Amino acid sequence: AQSVTQLDSHVSVSEGTPVLLRCNYSSSYSPSLFWYVQHPNKGLQLLLKYTSAATLVKGINGFEAEFKKSETSFHLTKPSAHMSDAAEYFCVVSDKEYGNKLVFGAGTILRVKS
Amino acid sequence: GAGVSQSPSNKVTEKGKDVELRCDPISGHTALYWYRQRLGQGLEFLIYFQGNSAPDKSGLPSDRFSAERTGESVSTLTIQRTQQEDSAVYLCASSRGPGQDEKLFFGSGTQLSVL
Repeated sequence: AQSVTQLDSHVSVSEGTPVLLRCNYSSSYSPSLFWYVQHPNKGLQLLLKYTSAATLVKGINGFEAEFKKSETSFHLTKPSAHMSDAAEYFCVVSDKEYGNKLVFGAGTILRVKS
Repeated sequence: GAGVSQSPSNKVTEKGKDVELRCDPISGHTALYWYRQRLGQGLEFLIYFQGNSAPDKSGLPSDRFSAERTGESVSTLTIQRTQQEDSAVYLCASSRGPGQDEKLFFGSGTQLSVL
């Protein structure tokens, strides 16, 4: 079965410092991987997705993630945090072998301190 | 219950019929969201309830879709005159409410198949 583990339920950074949100997955040979962001009062928004093309994926708002098959990881990074980045982030895996159903991680709340 | 509960888990219906999907949020959660995921696509926002405020219905795809929530309890999503394009997994999520520490909890979804 496929699964997603987000290693930190909460991450706190200072504005202007790097962001690292960790995600490990379990799936078949060719999963699709996504990062979604949920801002307060808003619906989920897709940040970026990996679908077997380049392993380094660039998304919106300066975020990027690198697919590392050997480590079964898909960590989300950003060089410099902004206050507006404070939100909850979800790592998601999808696999054709499981009917393309999205399986969500438990989420990581990112706090950005001024 | 301990988590967000959705029912039914699976629903098969004929084109043109109405369906009603139910979501029981976590007790005390003022915010409630409905999303859908169609096969091979990302998650699509449908509607958001926050306490007694007017819901954000900006994601509803047509007037065949409606949702209600009484207070801070159960929500129902109704799809009238279903079409095959409505086939999807419908997810419900709830949280304590707005704020930096708002944490979203998802139900397991309702798989809707329109024949």
